[in-house]
Amino acid sequence: QKEVEQDPGPLSVPEGAIVSLNCTYSNSAFQYFMWYRQYSRKGPELLMYTYSSGNKEDGRFTAQVDKSSKYISLFIRDSQPSDSATYLCAMSEPGGFKTIFGAGTRLFVKA
Amino acid sequence: EAGVTQFPSHSVIEKGQTVTLRCDPISGHDNLYWYRRVMGKEIKFLLHFVKESKQDESGMPNNRFLAERTGGTYSTLKVQPAELEDSGVYFCASSQEGGPVYGYTFGSGTRLTVV
Repeated sequence: QKEVEQDPGPLSVPEGAIVSLNCTYSNSAFQYFMWYRQYSRKGPELLMYTYSSGNKEDGRFTAQVDKSSKYISLFIRDSQPSDSATYLCAMSEPGGFKTIFGAGTRLFVKA
Repeated sequence: EAGVTQFPSHSVIEKGQTVTLRCDPISGHDNLYWYRRVMGKEIKFLLHFVKESKQDESGMPNNRFLAERTGGTYSTLKVQPAELEDSGVYFCASSQEGGPVYGYTFGSGTRLTVV
């Protein structure tokens, strides 16, 4: 079983839609939860991180962590064509230096 | 501030040959990481340097892979001899503080194809 499961998509939505991206995980030791965005031919770029459970909002982006269900989500409001990219969830243990990545979900936002 | 630079951006080599990838981290970043994504799989950790010391190399696939960071500045990752399954995108990342939540900055990656 993979430590982190993420639906690779692709996910195609119209401009302005609310996008929901999700990951599940199996390692209960994970405490740091991150979302990266990766454009084609570029490296991943950290979007948001959350420590333990709860919500975090940054502009049009909201990250949610439910540790009891081992489930994390990223919501994108008012999606724009420029949001078209691959979104990777990522996790790490406290004091850990390595990040465990999901497979990434390809998102297409159509104008 | 210049970002993390990796080169070459692409490399095509034959099975059995040697390839050396280079990463120049952001100046002043003590932590340097190598990750790899093979086709259809997740990005996976290879190793972590703090300055010139290997902090964790648990992700290195086998002894055909050798990473160095002489002087604590740039790093190289050598694959010798290369095998078909080594094909993928090799990412380097650096950070000033330790730990991924302090914000890795990734390079654009080296796309390695072994034929």
